[in-house]
Amino acid sequence: QKEVEQDPGPLSVPEGAIVSLNCTYSNSAFQYFMWYRQYSRKGPELLMYTYSSGNKEDGRFTAQVDKSSKYISLFIRDSQPSDSATYLCAMSEVRDDKIIFGKGTRLHILP
Amino acid sequence: EAQVTQNPRYLITVTGKKLTVTCSQNMNHEYMSWYRQDPGLGLRQIYYSMNVEVTDKGDVPEGYKVSRKEKRNFPLILESPSPNQTSLYFCASRSDRGIFPEAFFGQGTRLTVV
Repeated sequence: QKEVEQDPGPLSVPEGAIVSLNCTYSNSAFQYFMWYRQYSRKGPELLMYTYSSGNKEDGRFTAQVDKSSKYISLFIRDSQPSDSATYLCAMSEVRDDKIIFGKGTRLHILP
Repeated sequence: EAQVTQNPRYLITVTGKKLTVTCSQNMNHEYMSWYRQDPGLGLRQIYYSMNVEVTDKGDVPEGYKVSRKEKRNFPLILESPSPNQTSLYFCASRSDRGIFPEAFFGQGTRLTVV
């Protein structure tokens, strides 16, 4: 079983819809959970992060971590065409440890 | 502006011809790493460095070399490139201070080996 599983998509949704992106993981020692966004022909950029369990909200974006289920989610409200990108989940055990990335989900927001 | 700079952005080379991809960061970060990104395989770490003169293998180090002689620079060397090294390469850096391990990525180098 791979450490981090992420559906590659592509996921196409109409503008204004709520988007749900998810990852599952197998390593219960992960404590740092991140979402990176990667536009075409660009490097990944950190979008949101959480430590341990719980929710975090930043504007239209909400990150959720359920450690009991080993499941993390990123919700995008009122999706915009500019949200079209690949979203990578990422995790690490401790602050200075290696970051493990999911393979990324390609998201298309249709105008 | 805080950034990680990679050069070149695009490179086409022939099998066996040594090449170097440069990476430089201006954030005084201790930790630097190289990744390759391939369709269906995601980001895979090649090598990383915790600080000057300290480097270690990642998940896919075969066919690559690195060096860390200065804190800001972390070049990736392909001594004898082969077609299976055709890929999109990213350099990343992060600080070992602060509360969160945010990685900053370069713009990427698209390498084609023919």
